[in-house]
Amino acid sequence: GAVVSQHPSWVICKSGTSVKIECRSLDFQATTMFWYRQFPKQSLMLMATSNEGSKATYEQGVEKDKFLINHASLTLSTLTVTSAHPEDSSFYICSARPRWALATNEKLFFGSGTQLSVL
Amino acid sequence: SQQGEEDPQALSIQEGENATMNCSYKTSINNLQWYRQNSGRGLVHLILIRSNEREKHSGRLRVTLDTSKKSSSLLITASRAADTASYFCATDRGSTLGRLYFGRGTQLTVWP
Repeated sequence: GAVVSQHPSWVICKSGTSVKIECRSLDFQATTMFWYRQFPKQSLMLMATSNEGSKATYEQGVEKDKFLINHASLTLSTLTVTSAHPEDSSFYICSARPRWALATNEKLFFGSGTQLSVL
Repeated sequence: SQQGEEDPQALSIQEGENATMNCSYKTSINNLQWYRQNSGRGLVHLILIRSNEREKHSGRLRVTLDTSKKSSSLLITASRAADTASYFCATDRGSTLGRLYFGRGTQLTVWP
C-alpha cells in the first residue's frame, strides 16, 4: 500500500527558532500534498495545499510567511514553521494524493504526524 | 471545526455494545469519509461513501449518508476495547482538488 512518511515525529524547540517538517511519499508520486494542524482534543484544520512546482495555496487565516511550504519534488513537501512561538505548538500532519488519483478525493494517504512543542 | 459537527463529542460504552456516531456538514459533497485516530497518531482511513450512495458496509462498520439532511452516521457493531480512538468525518465540499475538511470528532472509549 501507499506510504507517507513524516519526519520528525516530534520536535521540541526554543521560541524564535524555525522548524522544518518533511512529508515524503515513499512508493508513489504525489503532485499534491496537504498540511493540517491539530490542537489537543480538537479537529484537523486544513492549512494549505502544496503543489509540486508551484506556490502553495493557503486556507483563509493561515499566515503564508509563518508557515512556509515547499514542494520541491513529486515525493517531498516540507513545512517550515518560522520563528516558532509557544502558540505554534501543535500536531502537524500531512497527506498526499497520488499522481494516478488526480481529480478524485478518494485516494489520500496520511503521514503519522509531527508533534511540535515550542518552549 | 472547518466543516461540521460530530456528535456525540464523547461516547463511552462497554465491549460488545454498538457505537453510533453522527456527522453533519454544511455544503454539497462528492463523498464523505470517516477516519480513525489513536491518541497522538496519524489517521487511518475507515470508509468512504459517495454522494449517490445511502449506505455502505465494511466489516463491523456501517456508514449511512443522507444528503438531504447533510448528515452521516458511523455504526461500529460489537465494539472492542481496541476500537477506543477518536473518529472523524471529512468531506470535500464538492471539490475534486483533494482537500478534506474535518469535523470535530467523537472520542470513543470502549471499556473491557
